[in-house]
Amino acid sequence: NAGVTQTPKFQVLKTGQSMTLQCAQDMNHNSMYWYRQDPGMGLRLIYYSASEGTTDKGEVPNGYNVSRLNKREFSLRLESAAPSQTSVYFCASSDPPREGTDTQYFGPGTRLTVL
Amino acid sequence: GESVGLHLPTLSVQEGDNSIINCAYSNSASDYFIWYKQESGKGPQFIIDIRSNMDKRQGQRVTVLLNKTVKHLSLQIAATQPGDSAVYFCAEIRGGSQGNLIFGKGTKLSVKP
Repeated sequence: NAGVTQTPKFQVLKTGQSMTLQCAQDMNHNSMYWYRQDPGMGLRLIYYSASEGTTDKGEVPNGYNVSRLNKREFSLRLESAAPSQTSVYFCASSDPPREGTDTQYFGPGTRLTVL
Repeated sequence: GESVGLHLPTLSVQEGDNSIINCAYSNSASDYFIWYKQESGKGPQFIIDIRSNMDKRQGQRVTVLLNKTVKHLSLQIAATQPGDSAVYFCAEIRGGSQGNLIFGKGTKLSVKP
């Protein structure tokens, strides 16, 4: 049981390049999330997927797209990377909300630098 | 604006002492709170949670206290160990909406041997 896995672990891009960050979970969770974490900051939600086939914008969705490929996988795409997107990206998953709870389990992160 | 924040950005404690990490929230509609621990180079790890109908909840060496009157949350770590060194985040869910988990900026806990 690997939990939440992310690839790649590190990536360096030039401005304008595109890339896709991959995330997979083996806990049979319905909900998945993408966050970014900037230095000295908490996590900010980019997009989330409440269930397979649905996606919704979070706090900072501009410049990103997502795809919920199946129940296990949720990818984040940067179509035209910008230096402002330099950050650490975390994927998370959770069980369906029960009585308002939402314990999310996080992957190890992808460290992205855009030059 | 409304936010989840922390009173102290850093906290240094002696090994064996108890640690208290504080968090303030401003939205009285928040009904669920979580504490996460993030070690260097890793993703956040769930520690303990508490619902707004509770004042206190205990786990293994950790206790979370919720004071709804002053909108304050704290995490107490008993007998702090070097392995407890990390950044601790409080997070809240506002209105029970999925995907609406709001994180604070974090407190860095350093444990001196």
